[in-house]
Amino acid sequence: AQTVTQSQPEMSVQEAETVTLSCTYDTSENNYYLFWYKQPPSRQMILVIRQEAYKQQNATENRFSVNFQKAAKSFSLKISDSQLGDTAMYFCAFMKHGSWGKLQFGAGTQVVVTP
Amino acid sequence: DSGVTQTPKHLITATGQRVTLRCSPRSGDLSVYWYQQSLDQGLQFLIQYYNGEERAKGNILERFSAQQFPDLHSELNLSSLELGDSALYFCASSPQTGGGDGYTFGSGTRLTVV
Repeated sequence: AQTVTQSQPEMSVQEAETVTLSCTYDTSENNYYLFWYKQPPSRQMILVIRQEAYKQQNATENRFSVNFQKAAKSFSLKISDSQLGDTAMYFCAFMKHGSWGKLQFGAGTQVVVTP
Repeated sequence: DSGVTQTPKHLITATGQRVTLRCSPRSGDLSVYWYQQSLDQGLQFLIQYYNGEERAKGNILERFSAQQFPDLHSELNLSSLELGDSALYFCASSPQTGGGDGYTFGSGTRLTVV
C-alpha cells in the first residue's frame, strides 16, 4: 500500500516570498503520478500541478514548481512570489498507474500568506 | 465553477437516517469519483465509476452505495447514518478512466449527522 506523508502541518510566508512544501511517499511501483491539490477556504479542491514519474523534468505551472526526486521518493512544491490568494490547505497526492484513478492523499499543509 | 455540480451543498440529518448525494460530472467526462474528507481520516477514496460501471472501490462502508446513471450523473447513498459519517463528500470527474491527467472536483456536500 502506498502512503503519502506531509510533515509540515502549517507554514506561514509573507507576500512575494517563496515557500516550499515537502511531501514524501512510499511505494514499490515504478509507474505513477504525483499531484498537488489546493483547498482554499471555499473548500473547492483545485489541481495545482502534476508530475509523471517517468519524466525526469520537474513540472512547473506559473509560480508553482516541483522538485521531484524519484529515488528519494520526494515531491516538494515551491510557491514563488506568494500571493494572498495562495492561502489554502495544500495536499500532496499519489496515483498508481492502472489504479483506475484512485488518489492517495497526504494529511495536508496549511499555508498562510501574510501581507 | 469547476463544471462538476454537487447537490445539496449542505445536509443536516439525524442518526439512523438515509441520504442521497448527487453529482453531475463535467460535460464530456465519463469517470466519476467519490471521496470523503473528515477531520480524523483526511481525504479518503470511496468509489469510482466509468461510463456507468463500477471500476474501483476504496474505503467505502457497506452502509454506503453508489451508482452512475446512463446520463452519467452519479448518486452516493448513505444509510443508517452515524455521527462519525459527518464529513465533506466530494465528487470528481475525468474524461477517461485512468485519471492520470488529474481530475476536476466539485465543491462538495457538507453532511452533518446529529
